[in-house]
Amino acid sequence: AIQLTQSPSSLSASVGDSVTITCRASQDITTSLAWYQQTPGKPPKVLIYDASIVNGGVPSRFSGSGSGTDFTLTISGLQPEDFATYYCQQFHTYPSITFGQGTRLDIK
Amino acid sequence: QVQLQESGPGQVKPSETLSLTCSVSGYSISGGYYWGWIRQPPGEGLEWIASVYHSGATFYNPSLKSRVTISVDTTKNQFSLKLTSVTAADTAMYYCARQMAISDPWGLGTLVIVSS
Repeated sequence: AIQLTQSPSSLSASVGDSVTITCRASQDITTSLAWYQQTPGKPPKVLIYDASIVNGGVPSRFSGSGSGTDFTLTISGLQPEDFATYYCQQFHTYPSITFGQGTRLDIK
Repeated sequence: QVQLQESGPGQVKPSETLSLTCSVSGYSISGGYYWGWIRQPPGEGLEWIASVYHSGATFYNPSLKSRVTISVDTTKNQFSLKLTSVTAADTAMYYCARQMAISDPWGLGTLVIVSS
């Protein structure tokens, strides 16, 4: 099974900062990767799919890149509502999918 | 728009079977896509459990496959999950979701606690 490893597991940042979260796959998944944002008490929400395509309604400060085994999610100019937990998910083996372990983004 | 809603008991005794149903509105399950279950233990990450197609084709997480059955009822526009021989480790928020490679949308989730 394909494993996804996110780093860091947690990070602290301030409003206005830019942050980058990394997701590494255990084998080549081309661009079959999505990023989700989850706030407490709510289900995850799709931010990015196909590694770099921003989902409709998602602010342009969110961007994704990568292919193969290494991927990044960048948030440029953090807003208060961005402090949440972020997950990557591979769908190279759709409908069998796997998630990264998550990255918690806290306010510094 | 497409909406999903999970239903089922909020508490299950150890060794018993957990049964959940996901009701879909705003879209016919027979229209395509896979439909899946994903769970999240308290304070932990997301774990895909299983997915089903309207034809009845199924896919399971290998780590849970021996205990899980997913099924679909197109007449009711629902799909269901059964997890047998539950333990405290199965305590989690259980979400259903439409799977179009990405999982979207999701239900709000239902918390299932395994406890005697």
